[in-house]
Amino acid sequence: GAVVSQHPSWVICKSGTSVKIECRSLDFQATTMFWYRQFPKQSLMLMATSNEGSKATYEQGVEKDKFLINHASLTLSTLTVTSAHPEDSSFYICSPGQGEGEAFFGQGTRLTVV
Amino acid sequence: GENVEQHPSTLSVQEGDSAVIKCTYSDSASNYFPWYKQELGKRPQLIIDIRSNVGEKKDQRIAVTLNKTAKHFSLHITETQPEDSAVYFCAASKGNQFYFGTGTSLTVIP
Repeated sequence: GAVVSQHPSWVICKSGTSVKIECRSLDFQATTMFWYRQFPKQSLMLMATSNEGSKATYEQGVEKDKFLINHASLTLSTLTVTSAHPEDSSFYICSPGQGEGEAFFGQGTRLTVV
Repeated sequence: GENVEQHPSTLSVQEGDSAVIKCTYSDSASNYFPWYKQELGKRPQLIIDIRSNVGEKKDQRIAVTLNKTAKHFSLHITETQPEDSAVYFCAASKGNQFYFGTGTSLTVIP
């Protein structure tokens, strides 16, 4: 299966600071990247879909100015949580789009904002 | 868009018993239905999947059934073991877009 590397695995930051999460597809080129957020004991909620070389598409209720997504290359997509607040604390997971079939996920990033 | 519902949200079974988790979906165009197992703090792992042209699939202790007409599919785990304890998610997909169920926390009691 596809190899997806996401880091950091966990990060603690102060309120008001920004955090960047990187997602790399190591053995294939991902033109599309899905970013999910998962709160404790809840499901994966799609935040946004990024496409290489173009602007990301955000799901309803997700602030695009707060969650900056960059997909500058076919192997790297980044999610930056800007001016983080405690309510942004969550588990963030990336998943490259591969056409039909199994979805592969990064390891996830546990973000804690204090 | 697609709406996936999953039940139950929590499930406790005795070791050796069977566990069944059910999902329904709304978009008849969805054609791929995977099941994922997620342990705490880790990424979801695919355990079994089924496509819309198949009614049932089995892999050792795990099986999935699909009823396209009723738009529901189920995960069956037989002879459960403590290591089966985790959160399980169903999903419905068309193309590369996935819609996930709300998850079922399964506890297998030794």
